[in-house]
Amino acid sequence: NAGVTQTPKFQVLKTGQSMTLQCAQDMNHEYMSWYRQDPGMGLRLIHYSVGAGITDQGEVPNGYNVSRSTTEDFPLRLLSAAPSQTSVYFCASSQTWGFEQYFGPGTRLTVT
Amino acid sequence: AQSVTQLDSQVPVFEEAPVELRCNYSSSVSVYLFWYVQYPNQGLQLLLKYLSGSTLVESINGFEAEFNKSQTSFHLRKPSVHISDTAEYFCAVSGLIQGAQKLVFGQGTRLTINP
Repeated sequence: NAGVTQTPKFQVLKTGQSMTLQCAQDMNHEYMSWYRQDPGMGLRLIHYSVGAGITDQGEVPNGYNVSRSTTEDFPLRLLSAAPSQTSVYFCASSQTWGFEQYFGPGTRLTVT
Repeated sequence: AQSVTQLDSQVPVFEEAPVELRCNYSSSVSVYLFWYVQYPNQGLQLLLKYLSGSTLVESINGFEAEFNKSQTSFHLRKPSVHISDTAEYFCAVSGLIQGAQKLVFGQGTRLTINP
């Protein structure tokens, strides 16, 4: 099993550009989440999904969109990048919501 | 509301010394507790968890944590650290809030091991 994979590993965007961060898992987990990690702030939940076709907002959803058309994939879209979105983004999946999560390797995004 | 506080943002220790990383939480409901470890340039991985039963839980690489309900703490300890333990450690708490299981992470503690 590859577990949770994320692409790209690094990305630099200019303010106003849009892009999609990809996330896939091969563990047949129903639950998937996107977090951002900023120094001194731990991990903050952006959006999550409890199954294909069902998504919801987390703690910091503004400026991000998600969709979940399959169990395996959970892409995160930045609609119009801003410098405040410079961060490391982690995708995670879990068998049961709120319990053990399996994290991807992360995407380091810089917005200039 | 549910929250997690990791009392130290950075902890430097010498190799083979003992270490304790402190974690306190606040919650009005029963909780499950986790410690995750993040090695440099990697994602987080589960180190250990408390769900029920014995309040002392152990990991395969020598870490242990004790759930203390009265002090609402879940401190992580290791009697003798190794250079390879250099990483960031995150405490997390999961509780049932308004019918949904809610997972909250602490701010992280960066553990640096000096030779």
